[in-house]
Amino acid sequence: NAGVMQNPRHLVRRRGQEARLRCSPMKGHSHVYWYRQLPEEGLKFMVYLQKENIIDESGMPKERFSAEFPKEGPSILRIQQVVRGDSAAYFCASSPQSGGFSYNEQFFGPGTRLTVL
Amino acid sequence: TQLLEQSPQFLSIQEGENLTVYCNSSSVFSSLQWYRQEPGEGPVLLVTVVTGGEVKKLKRLTFQFGDARKDSSLHITAAQPGDTGLYLCAEREAGAAGNKLTFGGGTRVLVKP
Repeated sequence: NAGVMQNPRHLVRRRGQEARLRCSPMKGHSHVYWYRQLPEEGLKFMVYLQKENIIDESGMPKERFSAEFPKEGPSILRIQQVVRGDSAAYFCASSPQSGGFSYNEQFFGPGTRLTVL
Repeated sequence: TQLLEQSPQFLSIQEGENLTVYCNSSSVFSSLQWYRQEPGEGPVLLVTVVTGGEVKKLKRLTFQFGDARKDSSLHITAAQPGDTGLYLCAEREAGAAGNKLTFGGGTRVLVKP
């Protein structure tokens, strides 16, 4: 059973370009979380999605960032007009389908390291 | 939003020595998780503690949850080079909107052979 897959593992963009980060959750998982990790820091929550729905985007910058998790295919984190401050490692995590307040472990992917020149 | 403080930020020890890292909060944790992250990889869950005063062991790792559920510690006995990594504590904010995690800043541990 493959783990959470993220691609690309490394992405280099120039200021003003767009960055697209992909996340394929573990098989059977329908919950996806995106986190950002700046150098030498812990991870910061960005957005939580279920299939075709954004549930919580309280950690996502209001401008230039968007996320989706379509019915078919991977979840996408999109950053438009990237700036140097967007350079970070972006991690995706997935968890099994569950309801309400039940506990579910999040399994993390290996991350995408974005460098903005 | 709850703030999680981890200390120390960095720890360098020789193989065979013991070490302890700490995680503290300004308010009560609902539940606390410890992760280890190796360079170039995502965090991997080590343990979840829920009950105040709880102690969990994972081989040479011992995790304690404070009685008041506002602090936790991770103790490693006879550390090995394979224990090198970034240790992160995180609170799981469970609710109808999912289980997002709030992470501390991490403790970077280096075990030298």
